[in-house]
Amino acid sequence: GAGVSQSPSNKVTEKGKDVELRCDPISGHTALYWYRQSLGQGLEFLIYFQGNSAPDKSGLPSDRFSAERTGGSVSTLTIQRTQQEDSAVYLCASSFDRGLAQPQHFGDGTRLSIL
Amino acid sequence: SQQGEEDPQALSIQEGENATMNCSYKTSINNLQWYRQNSGRGLVHLILIRSNEREKHSGRLRVTLDTSKKSSSLLITASRAADTASYFCATRILTGGGNKLTFGTGTQLKVEL
Repeated sequence: GAGVSQSPSNKVTEKGKDVELRCDPISGHTALYWYRQSLGQGLEFLIYFQGNSAPDKSGLPSDRFSAERTGGSVSTLTIQRTQQEDSAVYLCASSFDRGLAQPQHFGDGTRLSIL
Repeated sequence: SQQGEEDPQALSIQEGENATMNCSYKTSINNLQWYRQNSGRGLVHLILIRSNEREKHSGRLRVTLDTSKKSSSLLITASRAADTASYFCATRILTGGGNKLTFGTGTQLKVEL
């Protein structure tokens, strides 16, 4: 079916506001990942969900960042009290399972700008 | 710091020429993957090479892996303008971490007509 879908594609908000970013993975994919990409940089891992297991939150930069995955499908990444350094493209990816050689399928990202 | 570091950071070639990008990493890996990112888009998986493989081909792509040097190279032959993009290597570490990938900083490739 369709690929990974992310919304919104762009978000501009004022410093201090909370934002929610949404990711709809490929149907049937049990693994879901969030990454952050700053301008001209590589991808920084944020959080990883696999099935019903506890998520790997080791990449979240601060307690202002949190993520949920409801029903093993859609995920939301929430950033509270946004700061200017949170400005980046937030990318979501999914893979069929946690197999070692599974490629990750990416959405086009949400470009977040904090004024 | 990034697990993978690509070299060069930017590469500009003429259409029809070959493009070679290199990636170095730090820790033992299970596999290494290459992804392409067009401007404003997400990443697209190109090719995966396992730690027990030395070379792999897919169409115009050729990937090599040298685990003793902790390095990989991606060769794109007979490049086309449509190959213009950023290319990232990503490593899957040997143990633990689920399917978490660690990405390098990328090589920006520009193929000119």
